[in-house]
Amino acid sequence: QVQLVQSGAEVRKPGASVKVSCKASGYDFTNYDINWVRQATGQGLEWMGWVSPNSGYTGHAQRFQGRVTITRNTSISTVYMELNSLRSEDTAVYYCARGRWLLDWGQGTLVTVSS
Amino acid sequence: AIQMTQSPSSLSASVGDRVTITCRASQGIRNDLGWYQQKPGKAPKLLIYAAATLQNGVPSRFSGSGSGTDFTLTISSLQPEDFATYYCLQDNNYPWTFGQGTKVQIK
Repeated sequence: QVQLVQSGAEVRKPGASVKVSCKASGYDFTNYDINWVRQATGQGLEWMGWVSPNSGYTGHAQRFQGRVTITRNTSISTVYMELNSLRSEDTAVYYCARGRWLLDWGQGTLVTVSS
Repeated sequence: AIQMTQSPSSLSASVGDRVTITCRASQGIRNDLGWYQQKPGKAPKLLIYAAATLQNGVPSRFSGSGSGTDFTLTISSLQPEDFATYYCLQDNNYPWTFGQGTKVQIK
């Protein structure tokens, strides 16, 4: 079965960076884009960006311009999302999700930004 | 960016009720809309894609309709396991955008 397994919770200070991983299994990794979505506590869902595991092409929401980098390692079927210059407002659960329509989701990674 | 306006933000209903949630896009998005269910502490789950296509394994009491700017998610007979928050998502244009969510609570 399809699984997306994310790395564990992280705590960072303001201004630092965080890198969250998402390891895929149960399907052809190169056939589906991986998207990243985040959710602050008690808030709604926010789409951040995507990567094509096949080509390495990426895209992201303008509001994350210059702060987010999404990469992939096809040899280990893993996608990474790195967010820089963290601020308290970046405290959220970060999800990876497979394909158009976000067919399957990882379990989420809590990133806490606090001094 | 395309704005998705979802309503209501919350509703109270009883088991067996028919429930309708709407999403309006700020511009036409054809049928490029999905609906998701999220329970507390869990990742969202895809219910419907392409506005009206039921995802595999999703009960037939869920249905979607609409095209262009106006979309509807209907639960024909609310079940205890359906109490959750529901979101719409447009993927017609980057950045993809979600509605604000509708919390379905027990009356």
